[in-house]
Amino acid sequence: GAGVSQSPSNKVTEKGKDVELRCDPISGHTALYWYRQSLGQGLEFLIYFQGNSAPDKSGLPSDRFSAERTGGSVSTLTIQRTQQEDSAVYLCASSFTGGAYEQYFGPGTRLTVT
Amino acid sequence: GENVEQHPSTLSVQEGDSAVIKCTYSDSASNYFPWYKQELGKRPQLIIDIRSNVGEKKDQRIAVTLNKTAKHFSLHITETQPEDSAVYFCAASTPTGNQFYFGTGTSLTVIP
Repeated sequence: GAGVSQSPSNKVTEKGKDVELRCDPISGHTALYWYRQSLGQGLEFLIYFQGNSAPDKSGLPSDRFSAERTGGSVSTLTIQRTQQEDSAVYLCASSFTGGAYEQYFGPGTRLTVT
Repeated sequence: GENVEQHPSTLSVQEGDSAVIKCTYSDSASNYFPWYKQELGKRPQLIIDIRSNVGEKKDQRIAVTLNKTAKHFSLHITETQPEDSAVYFCAASTPTGNQFYFGTGTSLTVIP
């Protein structure tokens, strides 16, 4: 079946602009995670959605970052007033449910802020 | 929150030798410890995982060991091959999954 998809694959934006990144998880997966991976770095947890529960936003680095998950499926990560330090690959992952289950990652969106 | 530390950050081994990567975690509530492999330019993929009711798990050339008392777990790759070259990430998760933290990664190079 279809895996996790993300769009766009690449995004170049000017400093100060807003961007939206999209994630389509695997159908039936109730858990969805967003991570940020800077060049040569690890995976930084950003936000976690589980079903219809309130999301865990503890990893969001600033109030410029927000995320939604509509209908328990598609998720959008929004970065307002982008800064150069926001440049990174943003990865989305989904799993059957939260906790001890394999996460399936999308291909990522490479964001470059000029 | 959870703090996952991973060592070494880089590792080079000769083909056929073994490679060991170690991780420690801080949250005693963590009970799920997966390892992901990320090849250059690709997405991370799960290679093996272990739950806290198990001390060791093996899958062909890959094994993971867990010491809950000491809060550390390790990945062991035997008979390494060039295609094992990649970045490996450990992670720790609490039962609810809302705390899922990755280590900083180990770049493994297997020299033919």
